[in-house]
Amino acid sequence: DAGVIQSPRHEVTEMGQEVTLRCKPISGHNSLFWYRQTMMRGLELLIYFNNNVPIDDSGMPEDRFSAKMPNASFSTLKIQPSEPRDSAVYFCASSLARWANTEAFFGQGTRLTVV
Amino acid sequence: SQELEQSPQSLIVQEGKNLTINCTSSKTLYGLYWYKQKYGEGLIFLMMLQKGGEEKSHEKITAKLDEKKQQSSLHITASQPSHAGIYLCGAVPVLYSGGGADGLTFGKGTHLIIQP
Repeated sequence: DAGVIQSPRHEVTEMGQEVTLRCKPISGHNSLFWYRQTMMRGLELLIYFNNNVPIDDSGMPEDRFSAKMPNASFSTLKIQPSEPRDSAVYFCASSLARWANTEAFFGQGTRLTVV
Repeated sequence: SQELEQSPQSLIVQEGKNLTINCTSSKTLYGLYWYKQKYGEGLIFLMMLQKGGEEKSHEKITAKLDEKKQQSSLHITASQPSHAGIYLCGAVPVLYSGGGADGLTFGKGTHLIIQP
């Protein structure tokens, strides 16, 4: 398996534009997590899905952020409109079950810069 | 909410020396995970500890969870350049309200630099 695949690896966009980050989890994994990493706040959980259903989105910073998982092999994180403070590395991770007792595999991340 | 404090924030160690990184939780841990991140890359799973007093080793890295399940240490013996990176501890609390996230909460990481 190629692991968790995220695209794009790098994204530079202007403030106000819509940004869509994509994630393909490992085949067979039923839990998917979106994280955001910044120097100031470290790694923060944004939202996670179990069997394609959003379980908890309390980490999503505001209404400008939305995430979907239309099927077991694809998820998107959308920011509309984007702001400079959204600049961060966004990671997607997947696992066979919820975190307890299982390892989660991380993608390489998408480095987002909003100018 | 679950908070994890890692110490030190950064560490510079001469190659061949031993080192220890600590992770302290404000609440009892259900499970404690150690990940390593190389700069600009994703996280690589190292170990998971679940039982009080548990200790696991992988190559030259040993991780322990204390009996109270609120503190973990990561120890590297005879450090090598390949050990350089950011080490993150992550945890799931024992009790959560049901409305909280089931994903891991991470510490801010320890930046490890190995000097030749």
